[in-house]
Amino acid sequence: AQSVTQLDSQVPVFEEAPVELRCNYSSSVSVYLFWYVQYPNQGLQLLLKYLSGSTLVKGINGFEAEFNKSQTSFHLRKPSVHISDTAEYFCAVSDLANAGGTSYGKLTFGQGTILTVHP
Amino acid sequence: DGGITQSPKYLFRKEGQNVTLSCEQNLNHDAMYWYRQDPGQGLRLIYYSQIVNDFQKGDIAEGYSVSREKKESFPLTVTSAQKNPTAFYLCASSIVRNNSPLHFGNGTRLTVT
Repeated sequence: AQSVTQLDSQVPVFEEAPVELRCNYSSSVSVYLFWYVQYPNQGLQLLLKYLSGSTLVKGINGFEAEFNKSQTSFHLRKPSVHISDTAEYFCAVSDLANAGGTSYGKLTFGQGTILTVHP
Repeated sequence: DGGITQSPKYLFRKEGQNVTLSCEQNLNHDAMYWYRQDPGQGLRLIYYSQIVNDFQKGDIAEGYSVSREKKESFPLTVTSAQKNPTAFYLCASSIVRNNSPLHFGNGTRLTVT
């Protein structure tokens, strides 16, 4: 079984500052990794995903994440945030043992990180 | 535009009553899912279905039931056996492929008093 830990429940930051949202996972097999964003009272939208290949993944809205297998991390970064980036961010993992069987979409989610961007 | 529609957005019920949450998708996805979201706990999988007339329990299925009579629809019933039903419920869908992302609806916030 896999698990996901988002190390910060809340991250306040000023507009135009850089931000990093941290995510660590544990799994006994190789994984797929995802970051989703949720705006208030809405569903989740996919920001980016890591499947294989380059460890630096670029997503929408200027976000990027780096997969680090040795540290089992998948931290999300943005060099300069906007007020509109205020939202809750979720890291999720799907392990390849499940992905090839009957568990498509059975993601394990972290607890979420609330990013608040102040003017 | 294709998407997932959850209705209603807000739902209020008295304790002891069953309630059914609607989820419809026009994305032609085979797989559909129900997640429950509570503050500080992320999302937890309730039920999922990969094909019509078949579904499997997720991590927290107790007190819930589902049906999948049509590809487009995956309603969730919260029964009176669910001890703590007040939560935000999210429906999602995906194609059946091992790296396909989930597409989410906008959720239903259920309050039981």
